Amino acid sequence: DAGITQSPRHKVTETGTPVTLRCHQTENHRYMYWYRQDPGHGLRLIHYSYGVKDTDKGEVSDGYSVSRSKTEDFLLTLESATSSQTSVYFCAILSSGQGPGNTIYFGEGSWLTVV
Amino acid sequence: GENVEQHPSTLSVQEGDSAVIKCTYSDSASNYFPWYKQELGKGPQLIIDIRSNVGEKKDQRIAVTLNKTAKHFSLHITETQPEDSAVYFCAASKGTSGTYKYIFGTGTRLKVLA
Repeated sequence: DAGITQSPRHKVTETGTPVTLRCHQTENHRYMYWYRQDPGHGLRLIHYSYGVKDTDKGEVSDGYSVSRSKTEDFLLTLESATSSQTSVYFCAILSSGQGPGNTIYFGEGSWLTVV
Repeated sequence: GENVEQHPSTLSVQEGDSAVIKCTYSDSASNYFPWYKQELGKGPQLIIDIRSNVGEKKDQRIAVTLNKTAKHFSLHITETQPEDSAVYFCAASKGTSGTYKYIFGTGTRLKVLA
């Protein structure tokens, strides 16, 4: 257990509405990530953060924005949800350490359905 | 671009048999290779990892081997049990300049038949 809490765990929303997913961690990790998981695509990085107010894009960032105003919270926002954003979203943290081999630990996921 | 290919996508084995899942990575600078197990409705859980300065690592019934020359690594599960049924993901990572990028394989669904 890496002390990661995602909310909400399940959500159904309508096309065109904004949606925010929250990731909360309790262990002061510097790096936080948002991934989406889809059949046939595995885990794809949406955005990541390497500190408060420091974020960068991943490979599938279009249609998503993130914010990190404090170490423990990393928010993922879908500005105007589309059906293609129906997915399972995982928050992750990078364990503290030095050198190569720092390990990513995942939260339990947020299931989002856009209808 | 950077890529990790994982095979097979599905694997069925009889209880007690061994299972092998293989991954190939493209970025020769990758230096860390974790494996994750994902059960239905849950997040991926780290089960074993290997660093580029090691060729093999074992943890009870699970082992991982790494061939840096060929750029591939494999997960071996011996004496499989029904609770080993899950989706397994490999990943390749390189940690440079404070940025840790992980590239994941597309997953293998393992079914252990009782």
